[in-house]
This record gives sequence, structure tokens and C-alpha cells, in this order.
Amino acid sequence: DGGITQSPKYLFRKEGQNVTLSCEQNLNHDAMYWYRQDPGQGLRLIYYSQIVNDFQKGDIAEGYSVSREKKESFPLTVTSAQKNPTAFYLCASSIGRGGTDTQYFGPGTRLTVL
Amino acid sequence: GESVGLHLPTLSVQEGDNSIINCAYSNSASDYFIWYKQESGKGPQFIIDIRSNMDKRQGQRVTVLLNKTVKHLSLQIAATQPGDSAVYFCAGLNYGGSQGNLIFGKGTKLSVKP
Repeated sequence: DGGITQSPKYLFRKEGQNVTLSCEQNLNHDAMYWYRQDPGQGLRLIYYSQIVNDFQKGDIAEGYSVSREKKESFPLTVTSAQKNPTAFYLCASSIGRGGTDTQYFGPGTRLTVL
Repeated sequence: GESVGLHLPTLSVQEGDNSIINCAYSNSASDYFIWYKQESGKGPQFIIDIRSNMDKRQGQRVTVLLNKTVKHLSLQIAATQPGDSAVYFCAGLNYGGSQGNLIFGKGTKLSVKP
């Protein structure tokens, strides 16, 4: 997991609630990413950020929002508009800015909607 | 279109044998490839990467082979151990795409029999 932390490890949400997943990295990486993983599936990109105060939608951004106010932090909010939010959420980071493209992952947050 | 896919969803090998996990890709994801290992309930862990100007790269007990002619790459694990049991993902990146455009396959689950 390197220097990437995610919290909480498990999260339970009632329908209609917004929840925020935390992702912090101390690797001095410019780029950060959020993925969603469903059982038996590959990772799907939700949002990514190449630099502070900037972020881009990935393939499945609907129902999610992010912010990048600090280089080391990239929180993900799962809003009530996300109709099927139960999944394993993974945060990653990479050096970015033309450096190696290898993405390093955090330990993940498992979100369950009750 | 863009795609990276694994050939087999599951692979079972005897402890001590060599394992070979295969992956195919489309033209769009053809500049850089990464293999990740994901243990149950954890985030993916970087294993090895290879760029398209290489045919082979070796790490500790692992070798990645890239065949650009047939758009195929493989991960070879020598002397497979019980600790190698996990889901293995290949991921491809097209440098002409966006920073976040790392495309993941669905994964192969490797089981090691004692």
C-alpha cells in the first residue's frame, strides 16, 4: 500500500445519505485517482486529478464528486444520486507530470448501502 | 476500441510449478503495461511493468513478456508459492490518451495447491 492511506476501511450508508471517503498520500505525487471495483470486475475510473485544484471525470463519474485542495488529499463523496454505490473503492496516486505512470494503490474502502 | 482483457478468469497450479497468466490488448492500450497483484480485501500491489519498446522484463521470480505482433502479454511466476495466491490484473496505458486512461482487465484468480 506504500504511502497511501484510505479511511475508513468499512463504511455503511443509508439510502439517501452522502458519504465521503478519505484518501491521503505522503509520496509527493502530483496525480491521484479514484476507482470503483465490483465483484469479479476490473477497476473502473471515477475521477482523477493531475494537479492541485484540478480534476477530471473518469468513465463513471455520475453520482460522485471530488475535491483536490491539497496535494496529499483527494476525498471522494458518494452522493445520493449514485444509484448503486455498494462497491470496493480504491484510491491511487502516481508521480504524474511526465514521470512514471505507475499507479500505487491504497488499501481500499468497502462501502455498503443498507 | 480500448480494451485490455485476461484470457482465463481462474488458474490453479501446484506449489513449486511455474504459473503463466495471459492478457490481450487492443491498439489503444499499447504504450505501457503494468501487472498488479490483489489479495482478498486489499488494494492492488504493483508487481512489474513493461513499455512497448521492450519484449521482456524480469523481476524477482516474475517475468513479463510482450508480443506486439499479436498484442499479447504474459506474466510468468517461477516456483509458485502459496503466498502468490491472489487475483492478477494487467493494465494498459495509451500515452496519447488522458493521464487517467489506465485500462484494467478483469483479473485472473490464481490458486496455488500445496
